[in-house]
Amino acid sequence: EVQLLESGGGLVQPGGSLRLSCAASGLTFTSTAMSWVRQAPGKGLEWVSSISGGGGTTHYADSVKGRFTISRDNSKNTAHLEMNSLRAEDTAVYYCASGGQLLAYFEYWGQGTLVAVSS
Amino acid sequence: DIQLTQSPSTLSASVGDRVTITCRASQSISYWLAWYQQKPGEAPKLLIYKASTLESGVPSRFSGSGSATEFTLTISSLQPDDYATYYCQQYTNYFLTFGGGTKVEIK
Repeated sequence: EVQLLESGGGLVQPGGSLRLSCAASGLTFTSTAMSWVRQAPGKGLEWVSSISGGGGTTHYADSVKGRFTISRDNSKNTAHLEMNSLRAEDTAVYYCASGGQLLAYFEYWGQGTLVAVSS
Repeated sequence: DIQLTQSPSTLSASVGDRVTITCRASQSISYWLAWYQQKPGEAPKLLIYKASTLESGVPSRFSGSGSATEFTLTISSLQPDDYATYYCQQYTNYFLTFGGGTKVEIK
């Protein structure tokens, strides 16, 4: 059974930083692209970033480019999202998701972790 | 970026009704479209991929159709467990995008 478990969310002030983690199990992690999708309170889903299985290719939504960095540690089956210069509009539940390839639908989702940006 | 427009944004229906949700793409995405169901407080759940392929374990009352720029998700006979919000998602472009969602409410 595939499991994705996010951690690292919390309350942070505008301009602050936060690092999210996603621990994966039950899949061949090194050959699986990982992504982050967020959902602001009462709003729809927004793709944030994706990273290839080997970590060599990354993509970002324009809304986070230059502020967020996606990475992965294949020795620990974990993906990360480093978030800097956080803004109020980054407040959302952040989901870790996977569908195998970079260009894919998402078959597996974590339970989500809440990031709240407020003073 | 490829924009996906879902309609309607809200839909009221009764148990047993046939329900159809539309997703229109701003440019052709071939059949690289997925549909998800999301209930309050839960992560989205994959229902359909490649426009019409039913994900394993998803009830057969769900079906998808379409290609290029126009797609539909149909629930043939709405069940109490189907009241939720539904999203489409394109994966023809590395800048993945979702539709705005369709909330299916109890009539």
